Amino acid sequence: NAGVTQTPKFRVLKTGQSMTLLCAQDMNHEYMYWYRQDPGMGLRLIHYSVGEGTTAKGEVPDGYNVSRLKKQNFLLGLESAAPSQTSVYFCASNYRSSYNSPLHFGNGTRLTVT
Amino acid sequence: AQTVTQSQPEMSVQEAETVTLSCTYDTSENNYYLFWYKQPPSRQMILVIRQEAYKQQNATENRFSVNFQKAAKSFSLKISDSQLGDTAMYFCAFMTHGTGNQFYFGTGTSLTVIP
Repeated sequence: NAGVTQTPKFRVLKTGQSMTLLCAQDMNHEYMYWYRQDPGMGLRLIHYSVGEGTTAKGEVPDGYNVSRLKKQNFLLGLESAAPSQTSVYFCASNYRSSYNSPLHFGNGTRLTVT
Repeated sequence: AQTVTQSQPEMSVQEAETVTLSCTYDTSENNYYLFWYKQPPSRQMILVIRQEAYKQQNATENRFSVNFQKAAKSFSLKISDSQLGDTAMYFCAFMTHGTGNQFYFGTGTSLTVIP
């Protein structure tokens, strides 16, 4: 069982560069999420999607864009990276219909912006 | 506003002893779900235990149990017979049913099990 797969695991960018993080899940989950994790701040929601072709803003959306062209994939893009975007990024997914559906997480991507 | 507070940034416990991690939350929702996640040094987020707010009985998973006090909005995690593999960051979270199953996370408690 692959579960939730994130690529890449590590990335170093220079300020102003762009990149895309890929998240893929094979559990047929309707909902997908992107979080960032910073020391002392827990997990903060960047964007989420409730289904194919839909996206919505979370708590900290500025500087990021997302797309969900296929149900199993959720992409997170940084158009012009800034040092403040240095963080660990997690993708997660869960079912819509199960009322106590926990989040299933990928293994995270450590991004450093210099 | 929905908030989750973990007031213990760091804790330690001797191997085989019991430790309790505290969590309080604030919500105006009546139906919600509570979770504890573990994040070991590998960075993977692992579900430890979950609790439905409408259930009065406290959830238990092997050595892990919760003390859920709905009126006090408290959801503490008890780890019995602590093992070295329990060393990790622990996050408390709750989920409400708005658009997209909104999850709210605390800032985490770093637990170290001392041999």
